[in-house]
Amino acid sequence: GAGVSQSPSNKVTEKGKDVELRCDPISGHTALYWYRQSLGQGLEFLIYFQGNSAPDKSGLPSDRFSAERTGGSVSTLTIQRTQQEDSAVYLCASSLAGRGGYNEQFFGPGTRLTVL
Amino acid sequence: AQSVTQLGSHVSVSEGALVLLRCNYSSSVPPYLFWYVQYPNQGLQLLLKYTSAATLVKGINGFEAEFKKSETSFHLTKPSAHMSDAAEYFCAVSDRSGTYKYIFGTGTRLKVLA
Repeated sequence: GAGVSQSPSNKVTEKGKDVELRCDPISGHTALYWYRQSLGQGLEFLIYFQGNSAPDKSGLPSDRFSAERTGGSVSTLTIQRTQQEDSAVYLCASSLAGRGGYNEQFFGPGTRLTVL
Repeated sequence: AQSVTQLGSHVSVSEGALVLLRCNYSSSVPPYLFWYVQYPNQGLQLLLKYTSAATLVKGINGFEAEFKKSETSFHLTKPSAHMSDAAEYFCAVSDRSGTYKYIFGTGTRLKVLA
């Protein structure tokens, strides 16, 4: 079946511009996660959705970062007024967390964001 | 707070040699533990997981890991390295407080020498 998909695969933007990153999770997965992978910081958790609500936003680095999820499916991560330190690979993952205990997260290929 | 330590950011082995990638965790509750592999320009792929059943866990591509509570370790091994094993490997612990988000180690890049 289809895995987690993300778009765009690459995004180059200028400092100060806003960007939107999209994630399509595996159908039926109620949990959705965003992570950021950057040099020097490794893989960092950003935000967790259960359905359309986000009970854990503790990893968002600043108020320039926001995310939403609609219809219990697609999620969009928005970064406003991008800065060079936002350059990273943004990974989305989905899982059946909450059903049956342990979860296995399925990752998308990521969006590589470069802020010039 | 939970944390994961991967010793050795880079590991080199000869083709056919034993692969040993180290992972130690810190958790106040029995953890769920995972190993993922990331090939260049790709997402993360699950190798194996520990979910409090058998302490020796077998995964894909001939990898296995042993959960040792006394050592708070979950090291990844493979008896014989193959060139195709060259990749970056991440150990992760799952937050069981409700969100099940992952806390990742910093990763170990495996190089396989011919």
